[in-house]
Amino acid sequence: DAKTTQPPSMDCAEGRAANLPCNHSTISGNEYVYWYRQIHSQGPQYIIHGLKNNETNEMASLIITEDRKSSTLILPHATLRDTAVYYCIVRVVVGTPLVFGKGTRLSVIA
Amino acid sequence: EAQVTQNPRYLITVTGKKLTVTCSQNMNHEYMSWYRQDPGLGLRQIYYSMNVEVTDKGDVPEGYKVSRKEKRNFPLILESPSPNQTSLYFCASRIEGGYNEQFFGPGTRLTVL
Repeated sequence: DAKTTQPPSMDCAEGRAANLPCNHSTISGNEYVYWYRQIHSQGPQYIIHGLKNNETNEMASLIITEDRKSSTLILPHATLRDTAVYYCIVRVVVGTPLVFGKGTRLSVIA
Repeated sequence: EAQVTQNPRYLITVTGKKLTVTCSQNMNHEYMSWYRQDPGLGLRQIYYSMNVEVTDKGDVPEGYKVSRKEKRNFPLILESPSPNQTSLYFCASRIEGGYNEQFFGPGTRLTVL
C-alpha cells in the first residue's frame, strides 16, 4: 500500500472548518483513500473514503486532487467532540489490511 | 445494534499466565483482525482472518495466537504473556470485498506485570 504523509498536529477554532491534508504521491490507480479518526483511546471510527471524485457524507467532505497525489478531509463546522487523531490511509479494496500511520492530532479549541 | 464487542475491557495479569481476549461481531462480517496500539508506535496489526478457518499473520504476530472457528468470533490468545505485551488491543471486522468500512471494538487495555 502507498504511504501517506500527514502533519502531526493541527488546531482549529470551534465552529470553523477543519481542513486536514494528506499527501499520497505514490498512490496507484486501484487504491482508495480512506479517513478514520480515533478519539482518545477509543476504537478508530470510519469517516469517509473515495477513489477519484470528491465525496461528502454527514460527517465530512473528502477532496481528492485530480492527479490523486493528495487529498483534504474537511470537517465543515468543527466541534470540541471532533478533537481526535485523524488517519489518512490508502489501500486497494480487496484482501489487504488497513495500515495506520501516525495521523494528525486535531485539537478543536473553544 | 451493529457492533464489535471485546472482553475483558481491562485486565491486569502476571507474566506467563495464559489469557484470552474475546472478540465478537454481530454483522456477519467475513474479515476480522486484531491490532495493538502503543505510544509512539501507533496501531499495528497482529493477526487477521479473511473467513472461518483462515488466519494470517499481521505485522507483529510474535507471542500471539488466534483462531476462527465461527464467523462471529475471533479470540486473541496469549499463551505466555510478557511485559512487552502490555498494550491497548483492538479487534475489528468488515465485509470482505468492496470498499467497506472497518468497525472497531472498544479496546482492551492489558497490563502484564
